[in-house]
Amino acid sequence: AQTVTQSQPEMSVQEAETVTLSCTYDTSESDYYLFWYKQPPSRQMILVIRQEAYKQQNATENRFSVNFQKAAKSFSLKISDSQLGDAAMYFCASSREGAQKLVFGQGTRLTINP
Amino acid sequence: NAGVTQTPKFQVLKTGQSMTLQCAQDMNHEYMSWYRQDPGMGLRLIHYSVGAGITDQGEVPNGYNVSRSTTEDFPLRLLSAAPSQTSVYFCASKRLGSNQPQHFGDGTRLSIL
Repeated sequence: AQTVTQSQPEMSVQEAETVTLSCTYDTSESDYYLFWYKQPPSRQMILVIRQEAYKQQNATENRFSVNFQKAAKSFSLKISDSQLGDAAMYFCASSREGAQKLVFGQGTRLTINP
Repeated sequence: NAGVTQTPKFQVLKTGQSMTLQCAQDMNHEYMSWYRQDPGMGLRLIHYSVGAGITDQGEVPNGYNVSRSTTEDFPLRLLSAAPSQTSVYFCASKRLGSNQPQHFGDGTRLSIL
């Protein structure tokens, strides 16, 4: 079975600075996917970034990037130049090949201080 | 372009009442699923379906029923609501056979008194 652990219930960062959210996972699958979702107060689940496990190159999406350490089963999210709109709950998730059944971590609430 | 539509957005029930949460998607996705979100626990999979007439259990299926009579709709039924089912419920869908991420609905906040 897959498990995902986010050990930081809350994080805060000054506007314009960089913050890293941690995520570790466990899986016996050889092919799997990892995701970061953002959930603002509106409750929407917004995909921030995803990583295919077979790709060694870390995924990036504008100000968001990941540090994927496959051997350590670690998948952290780095947000650069933090903006007030980045304030949200962030969930790390994994799935087997096919990106169907998602397993989520507990979430990290990110606060941006102006 | 509606995507995944969930109704209602909010609902309050009394213990023992029955309720159906509706989920519809207009993207012709074969795969649909239901998750519940509880504080401190992230989202957990309740039931899922890979096509019309096919459903299966997820991580936390007890107390919930589903059916999939059409590709578009995947309702979630609570036959006898319990306070432990107070949660936010999300429906999601995706195309089978692709590695594209799931599309989520906006969620239903359900309170059981």
